[in-house]
Amino acid sequence: EAGVTQFPSHSVIEKGQTVTLRCDPISGHDNLYWYRRVMGKEIKFLLHFVKESKQDESGMPNNRFLAERTGGTYSTLKVQPAELEDSGVYFCASSWDRGPFYGYTFGSGTRLTVV
Amino acid sequence: AQSVTQPDIHITVSEGASLELRCNYSYGATPYLFWYVQSPGQGLQLLLKYFSGDTLVQGIKGFEAEFKRSQSSFNLRKPSVHWSDAAEYFCAVGTGANNLFFGTGTRLTVIP
Repeated sequence: EAGVTQFPSHSVIEKGQTVTLRCDPISGHDNLYWYRRVMGKEIKFLLHFVKESKQDESGMPNNRFLAERTGGTYSTLKVQPAELEDSGVYFCASSWDRGPFYGYTFGSGTRLTVV
Repeated sequence: AQSVTQPDIHITVSEGASLELRCNYSYGATPYLFWYVQSPGQGLQLLLKYFSGDTLVQGIKGFEAEFKRSQSSFNLRKPSVHWSDAAEYFCAVGTGANNLFFGTGTRLTVIP
């Protein structure tokens, strides 16, 4: 089966611009997660979708971040306007059932650089 | 609050040597514990996980990890490292919610 696909793989934008990251989960996976790793830091949870609904968005850093999952398929994560501290690697993961215990599959990530 | 500590940022070992990557966690109840690996250009791949039962768990690629409750540790081991094991390794704890708490990662370099 196809894995979790994220694109772009890299993005370099200027401070103040807008960037949209996309994640295509494994087909049939209702649960979709976004995580972020800032350089040298731990990977941190951002939010969790169940189908098209936000189950938990407690990790979203501020209102410059907007995540959507229209139709319960792919998801987008928009950063508007981007700030320098938003630089990092954004990971997406999907799973059949809730929680990491049932087996997440992670994508290879989008490396975002804000200059 | 939950936290995971990986004290070694970077480890270098010779091919064929044994490996141990350290992981300590902080959590008030019995945690669910995971080790992930990220090779260059790849996503995070699950190596192994511990939920309950036998405290020594076997994973893929010849890795194993041992849960020690008294030390709040979940160290990853491999008896003989291969050049293809060069990657970044992440320890993580799950608390029953839907998300994971990760450590900062340990980068492994393998010398021929």
